[in-house]
Amino acid sequence: DAKTTQPNSMESNEEEPVHLPCNHSTISGTDYIHWYRQLPSQGPEYVIHGLTSNVNNRMASLAIAEDRKSSTLILHRATLRDAAVYYCILRANSGYALNFGKGTSLLVTP
Amino acid sequence: KAGVTQTPRYLIKTRGQQVTLSCSPISGHRSVSWYQQTPGQGLQFLFEYFSETQRNKGNFPGRFSGRQFSNSRSEMNVSTLELGDSALYLCASSLAPYGERTEAFFGQGTRLTVV
Repeated sequence: DAKTTQPNSMESNEEEPVHLPCNHSTISGTDYIHWYRQLPSQGPEYVIHGLTSNVNNRMASLAIAEDRKSSTLILHRATLRDAAVYYCILRANSGYALNFGKGTSLLVTP
Repeated sequence: KAGVTQTPRYLIKTRGQQVTLSCSPISGHRSVSWYQQTPGQGLQFLFEYFSETQRNKGNFPGRFSGRQFSNSRSEMNVSTLELGDSALYLCASSLAPYGERTEAFFGQGTRLTVV
């Protein structure tokens, strides 16, 4: 499985944008980049996913590098509710398991 | 639209017993996956089912098994429980395990405690 590398933790102030990086230098051409987050005491929550182009939804934006070896999850205005562990995961077009890794623990301070 | 429903939410069992956990996926979703989450190992994949067939299995002993029914509902079973099986068991459903729409939606989990 292609692996991803994320910082262990990041900190942000409330109402500021947050850029969460992810490196995936061994990504294959058919791997989708998925992001999930897990709030305390809850199951993981789907955030966004993309293949080659940047993607936006109501929760976040996903910026994918042109060579697809890295990506950035962008939370446009962090709220206290966004404090969670964020996982960047590569998922092959044919499915298979989500390899969660350790993720990035995001702390949001007022 | 209802989300993924897992039952029961909490369970306490004794070593050596067996347990069955249930998962009802989002309506229309045909793929169901199971994960185990522990503080030490994080989220680990158990198995994935699609159209009543196990497509993929993680690195867990044979005591862990599962199945999927024709209505896409799934159950997982753990036999001969060990203390180390204490964990949060999470179920996720997807439209399908392939193609562009493979985003997974998770339930709240079943917290299993083995004493």
